[in-house]
Amino acid sequence: QKEVEQNSGPLSVPEGAIASLNCTYSDRGSQSFFWYRQYSGKSPELIMFIYSNGDKEDGRFTAQLNKASQYVSLLIRDSQPSDSATYLCAVTTTDYGGSQGNLIFGKGTKLSVKP
Amino acid sequence: EAQVTQNPRYLITVTGKKLTVTCSQNMNHEYMSWYRQDPGLGLRQIYYSMNVEVTDKGDVPEGYKVSRKEKRNFPLILESPSPNQTSLYFCASGFLGSDTQYFGPGTRLTVL
Repeated sequence: QKEVEQNSGPLSVPEGAIASLNCTYSDRGSQSFFWYRQYSGKSPELIMFIYSNGDKEDGRFTAQLNKASQYVSLLIRDSQPSDSATYLCAVTTTDYGGSQGNLIFGKGTKLSVKP
Repeated sequence: EAQVTQNPRYLITVTGKKLTVTCSQNMNHEYMSWYRQDPGLGLRQIYYSMNVEVTDKGDVPEGYKVSRKEKRNFPLILESPSPNQTSLYFCASGFLGSDTQYFGPGTRLTVL
C-alpha cells in the first residue's frame, strides 16, 4: 500500500516567518513529487514540483527532496496571511510529469499565518 | 477561457439511484482523472485516463465506472450509489508529460 504521510497541523506561524511543511512517502519507486495548495472550499492548485534530490526554489517557495530518506518538504519564506491554506503533498511513480498515472496524495497540512 | 467544468456542482440523491457526474475540459488534455476528498482521508484517486479509450483504476475505484469516448469528456458513473460515496469529487486534467493538473470546481455529492 503506497502511503504519503503529512502532519495534519494546524501549523501556525507569524507573518514574515518561514513555514516548513513536511511529507514522507513509502514507495521507494516514487519519481515525481508535488505540492498543491488548497484554500478552504476551493480546488487544489499546483505550486511546486520536484524530481531530483536537493532544493528547488520558486519565489518564496522552496521544495526539498531527499529520496534516500523518502522525504520531501516545502518551505515558505516571508509567510503571508494569504498563504493560509491546506498544503497537499502528492507523489507518483511515473518518471516524467505528474499528469501521468496514479497520483497519491497525503492528507494535507493546514497552515495558518497570523498577522 | 481554459477550464475544467463539472456538473452538477451539488447533488443530493438516494441509495441505489444511478447517477453520472460529468467532467469536461477545453484544453485538449490527454490526461484526465477523478478524485474524491473526505475529511480525515484526504484526496484519493478513483480512476484516471491517459487518452481516449484508455482508463485505469486509482486507489478507490470500487463502486465507480468511467468512460473516455471523447478527449474532452470523462464522466464518472455511480451505478448504485451508497451513503459511503457521499463526498466531494474533483475532476482534473493535464497534458501527458506535464507537471500540472488543472482541477475542476468540485461536485459535492450526498447519498441518503
